[in-house]
Amino acid sequence: DQQVKQNSPSLSVQEGRISILNCDYTNSMFDYFLWYKKYPAEGPTFLISISSIKDKNEDGRFTVFLNKSAKHLSLHIVPSQPGDSAVYFCAASPSGGSNYKLTFGKGTLLTVNP
Amino acid sequence: NAGVMQNPRHLVRRRGQEARLRCSPMKGHSHVYWYRQLPEEGLKFMVYLQKENIIDESGMPKERFSAEFPKEGPSILRIQQVVRGDSAAYFCASSQKGPGANVLTFGAGSRLTVL
Repeated sequence: DQQVKQNSPSLSVQEGRISILNCDYTNSMFDYFLWYKKYPAEGPTFLISISSIKDKNEDGRFTVFLNKSAKHLSLHIVPSQPGDSAVYFCAASPSGGSNYKLTFGKGTLLTVNP
Repeated sequence: NAGVMQNPRHLVRRRGQEARLRCSPMKGHSHVYWYRQLPEEGLKFMVYLQKENIIDESGMPKERFSAEFPKEGPSILRIQQVVRGDSAAYFCASSQKGPGANVLTFGAGSRLTVL
């Protein structure tokens, strides 16, 4: 029972173009959403997050959009750079005292070609 | 300013042996979390500990797995009598605050291979 789904195992884009990574969730109790980036042989690194009371959060080249009614979020990277090549994990947590209990998707491997 | 340190990075065990994975949280962090990533899967929560206390072990398998975070020293995830299905990457994370922290800082992981 996958509560957080990343349906694209991989994505390839050209340097300078936009990368759009998608994530769907099923649990209505999820209240906070995060994106982590992971390079090979390293741990996941926090990238950006969004609370359910917002529909957009921007940090430099990275923007996360949340559509609560569709239970869908996306990460936009503009412009994409070769150093962005990594696995991107979408994660969700409930509100309140259990928000350390992240539920992760399977990840999307992003490759940015020079 | 070292991050979350995990060791060993790679561990090979034969079926029936014990595996011990260690995690030192970031300086100033007193909350530790263990996650497991099985092949082709996302990370899954296992256990949340503070110094000398297990706060939430709802994600831990009921048998063979245990975790501790003693007053002195690193947190330990112990797997007794390992089986092939235990082969996975085990990630430790830490946070300065507990519930309400939201953002966890992860270590590089310990990859367990059971032969």
